Amino acid sequence: EAQVTQNPRYLITVTGKKLTVTCSQNMNHEYMSWYRQDPGLGLRQIYYSMNVEVTDKGDVPEGYKVSRKEKRNFPLILESPSPNQTSLYFCASSNPSGMGFNEQFFGPGTRLTVL
Amino acid sequence: AQSVAQPEDQVNVAEGNPLTVKCTYSVSGNPYLFWYVQYPNRGLQFLLKYITGDNLVKGSYGFEAEFNKSQTSFHLKKPSALVSDSALYFCAVRDGSGTYKYIFGTGTRLKVLA
Repeated sequence: EAQVTQNPRYLITVTGKKLTVTCSQNMNHEYMSWYRQDPGLGLRQIYYSMNVEVTDKGDVPEGYKVSRKEKRNFPLILESPSPNQTSLYFCASSNPSGMGFNEQFFGPGTRLTVL
Repeated sequence: AQSVAQPEDQVNVAEGNPLTVKCTYSVSGNPYLFWYVQYPNRGLQFLLKYITGDNLVKGSYGFEAEFNKSQTSFHLKKPSALVSDSALYFCAVRDGSGTYKYIFGTGTRLKVLA
């Protein structure tokens, strides 16, 4: 089954404790992206990656890191989480077409709480 | 700068009636426009997109959207609403000028009343 998987699905942590949220897709997509969803703010893009070793900032990259060492994986790293990073996080992937990128496939989400 | 506006936090419609969920956008270059739906405790699912061509695009579950360049709008429509259409709807735009950033709207909660 074509899918985007994220782990963990739920995480409660404390301020300053480094964490990684994994994202993996089995569709051989070149484009991957991370978003956070907050009430009243919709989805905001954190980082995206056009392909292996190619990443770029979205609108809200502060406090986050990403890496793209393999095409299928795109982990999100919070080196020193803070309470304002409490949110619902989504990973997504997509493939380019002749006229631009096709629709994104989203993972099920990771609900992160930072105390 | 790119932006997307969904002016209504919530839209209520009676089952069987037509529905419209509004979206306006601002981008430099040609826009790539998308609608996604989110059901409770689920990720987002693609509904439809406008890249080029006909201004009226048809998508999943009977939804359609009309691209209006002069009004910079991309409203989502359905001729006859179902209770199962009740969900959170997001409009998104990708700037066609060369970046691969996506901007999403704040979402509109659609409630279809039986």
